[in-house]
Amino acid sequence: AQSVTQLDSQVPVFEEAPVELRCNYSSSVSVYLFWYVQYPNQGLQLLLKYLSGSTLVKGINGFEAEFNKSQTSFHLRKPSVHISDTAEYFCAVSPAYSGAGSYQLTFGKGTKLSVIP
Amino acid sequence: SQTIHQWPATLVQPVGSPLSLECTVEGTSNPNLYWYRQAAGRGLQLLFYSVGIGQISSEVPQNLSASRPQDRQFILSSKKLLLSDSGFYLCAWSARAGTTDTQYFGPGTRLTVL
Repeated sequence: AQSVTQLDSQVPVFEEAPVELRCNYSSSVSVYLFWYVQYPNQGLQLLLKYLSGSTLVKGINGFEAEFNKSQTSFHLRKPSVHISDTAEYFCAVSPAYSGAGSYQLTFGKGTKLSVIP
Repeated sequence: SQTIHQWPATLVQPVGSPLSLECTVEGTSNPNLYWYRQAAGRGLQLLFYSVGIGQISSEVPQNLSASRPQDRQFILSSKKLLLSDSGFYLCAWSARAGTTDTQYFGPGTRLTVL
């Protein structure tokens, strides 16, 4: 089984400042990792994903994340945030194999990013 | 490209009434389909997933049921709603073939049970 911990439930940051949203996971098998963003009253939109290869993954809207296997982390970063980045961000993990249970996507509880003008 | 639809967008129902939420996917065949519930402060909870017509797996015991009458249609139902069924319901799909399980989400249905 997998679990995901998003260490901060809320992160306020000033506009044009950098931001890091933290995500740690636990799993006994290799994993795929995802970040999703949810704007108010909308569904989840995929920001980026790590499947294999380079540990630095670039996504949409200027976000990037780095997979650190030794620290079991997948932190999300953006060098300069905009007002429009205000949303809730979810980290998720799934087993990296196609056997039984591979359909399971386990989510963290989310981090609400508030960008202050 | 693929598109996922959910309706209704918003629903207010009395306790004890029935429920039917619908999700359809366009632009892909044989998708895996999922129902999630998002309650305030509790993240996303997987309720059901389906790998094919008539094949439903339930993740948590509850007052809800799911059906997949067609390849790209997924329905969430209840015979009698409880107050605790209130929440934001999200449908998602992923490609069955391949080695990744990237899930793509619909716009959601906000359900309020009074």
